[in-house]
Amino acid sequence: DTEVTQTPKHLVMGMTNKKSLKCEQHMGHRAMYWYKQKAKKPPELMFVYSYEKLSINESVPSRFSPECPNSSLLNLHLHALQPEDSALYLCASSRTNVGYEQYFGPGTRLTVT
Amino acid sequence: LAKTTQPISMDSYEGQEVNITCSHNNIATNDYITWYQQFPSQGPRFIIQGYKTKVTNEVASLFIPADRKSSTLSLPRVSLSDTAVYYCLVGAAASNTGKLIFGQGTTLQVKP
Repeated sequence: DTEVTQTPKHLVMGMTNKKSLKCEQHMGHRAMYWYKQKAKKPPELMFVYSYEKLSINESVPSRFSPECPNSSLLNLHLHALQPEDSALYLCASSRTNVGYEQYFGPGTRLTVT
Repeated sequence: LAKTTQPISMDSYEGQEVNITCSHNNIATNDYITWYQQFPSQGPRFIIQGYKTKVTNEVASLFIPADRKSSTLSLPRVSLSDTAVYYCLVGAAASNTGKLIFGQGTTLQVKP
């Protein structure tokens, strides 16, 4: 199984809502990532978990809260988002060390109204 | 920070070899160079990774000169299905504190 799954595929939320994005992999990978991608732009790294511990936070606003409940799951909790947070949110995983070959999920298309 | 620069777009024809170069003048000693391919509405897909000299796999080759300030992704005999955005990523593979920075991406259009 070389797949990273993300749910939901699409999400529309208001600025006062609380929602969560979910990512799952069963490849035994120990590094997991959240990226944000705006249209026609490259992915921007948000968070990295290594061995279930947060190892990189790229100065992301606190309205985004990551969580890694176990080695296969990665969540991104969303609260009080702004319309400019609308983007494709990508999850990825890699075997061990940060930066090695990353497997990306299909992304969650988020729209904040 | 190893900022990367790639051409914004390239055109090619089916069957040709395509070379896409990425500049990364400030690459750090422990940074690796990785290339990804992305189709619309999909996540990026790993193509190849290298540290120095030449790396080849079943889909591409990666050439990295001795100074490591640039790298070239070579796609042999492209087909229409290779039309995509190609990203160069420079970052540390042996550190949990390294930065991972994607280039701006090169949109490759393969014509029949």
